[in-house]
Amino acid sequence: ETGVTQSPTHLIKTRGQQVTLRCSSQSGHNTVSWYQQALGQGPQFIFQYYREEENGRGNFPPRFSGLQFPNYSSELNVNALELDDSALYLCASSFSSGLSYEQYFGPGTRLTVT
Amino acid sequence: DQQVKQNSPSLSVQEGRISILNCDYTNSMFDYFLWYKKYPAEGPTFLISISSIKDKNEDGRFTVFLNKSAKHLSLHIVPSQPGDSAVYFCAASDPNAGNMLTFGGGTRLMVKP
Repeated sequence: ETGVTQSPTHLIKTRGQQVTLRCSSQSGHNTVSWYQQALGQGPQFIFQYYREEENGRGNFPPRFSGLQFPNYSSELNVNALELDDSALYLCASSFSSGLSYEQYFGPGTRLTVT
Repeated sequence: DQQVKQNSPSLSVQEGRISILNCDYTNSMFDYFLWYKKYPAEGPTFLISISSIKDKNEDGRFTVFLNKSAKHLSLHIVPSQPGDSAVYFCAASDPNAGNMLTFGGGTRLMVKP
């Protein structure tokens, strides 16, 4: 059974640029959630995708967008990067059949915006 | 407005003793609570969970207690081992919000040999 993988591991971008982060779900999982974890804080929910559609969104601006593909892998796109976007971005997958609580996390992508 | 709070940023415990990590929440709609453990350079790993209809759930050395009236949950680790040293996050799920997880800020547990 393959776990959740994310790429790249680390990324450095300049303010105003755009970035795409990628996530492969754990085998058998059909739901993907993205979280932002700032230094010293807990993960904050960005959004969730289920069957290729956004299924819930946290308090993040529209410049944070995502995609889920037929194989349940996912992308997180951030436009017009700001310094405060510097954080660890975590992807989590789960199997949703109406109720899904236990999410399995990838190792994260560390994004630094300069 | 933090709906899930872990008021102790760190905790130090001697090996073999009990570790108690605490978590408070404000949203009465939360119906499921989870604890995750995180090592450096890794994503959070699911540890144990509890439904709001229960007040205790046990799995080996780990027990989670839920006090709904106080909106408080705790994780007990007995006996604590050096390998338990990590950051522990509590999280809560709201069924009215697509079961998205709301996390606390984490508690760093250090178990001394």
